[in-house]
Amino acid sequence: EAGVAQSPRYKIIEKRQSVAFWCNPISGHATLYWYQQILGQGPKLLIQFQNNGVVDDSQLPKDRFSAERLKGVDSTLKIQPAKLEDSAVYLCASSLAVEQFFGPGTRLTVL
Amino acid sequence: KQEVTQIPAALSVPEGENLVLNCSFTDSAIYNLQWFRQDPGKGLTSLLLIQSSQREQTSGRLNASLDKSSGRSTLYIAASQPGDSATYLCAAYYNQGGKLIFGQGTELSVKP
Repeated sequence: EAGVAQSPRYKIIEKRQSVAFWCNPISGHATLYWYQQILGQGPKLLIQFQNNGVVDDSQLPKDRFSAERLKGVDSTLKIQPAKLEDSAVYLCASSLAVEQFFGPGTRLTVL
Repeated sequence: KQEVTQIPAALSVPEGENLVLNCSFTDSAIYNLQWFRQDPGKGLTSLLLIQSSQREQTSGRLNASLDKSSGRSTLYIAASQPGDSATYLCAAYYNQGGKLIFGQGTELSVKP
């Protein structure tokens, strides 16, 4: 069974630029999550989708971050414009029931 | 507020030593608790998941315990090896809100 796929694996941008990350969950998993992990901290949930609907986006900085899940499968997370403090690893996870399975993450560096 | 704390933030031990990693959580109404391993530059690998009705789970050299009443979980690693070097994260899952709340992790270094 293929795992959660994410791309790109690494991205370096200047502040005020925009960036987008892509996630392909495990086939059949209805729930998809985006987490932000700042260096030295645990992952923090940004947004949770159930199929293509948003369940929880309470910790998503909506003035600069947006996310969508097309047709209840793939998802993209966008940051526009990026700030220095957005430097982090962005993890995507999916689940069928309770247990979440994580992708390798995208490491973003904002200069 | 639901919070998860891991102490220490970093730990260095010689190869072969048995060790314990600690995790505490503020809200005892957890559904389950999960331990993950994270290698540098990689995603999270699930090690053990303990349901709220269970007291412990074992996998090979790993044993995780859960004490809801005290709000604590421990991960015991027996006969540590250099390949065990990684960051270990615990996460509490709460039914209310369906959220995984992570601790900040313990960075483990096992010296040959």
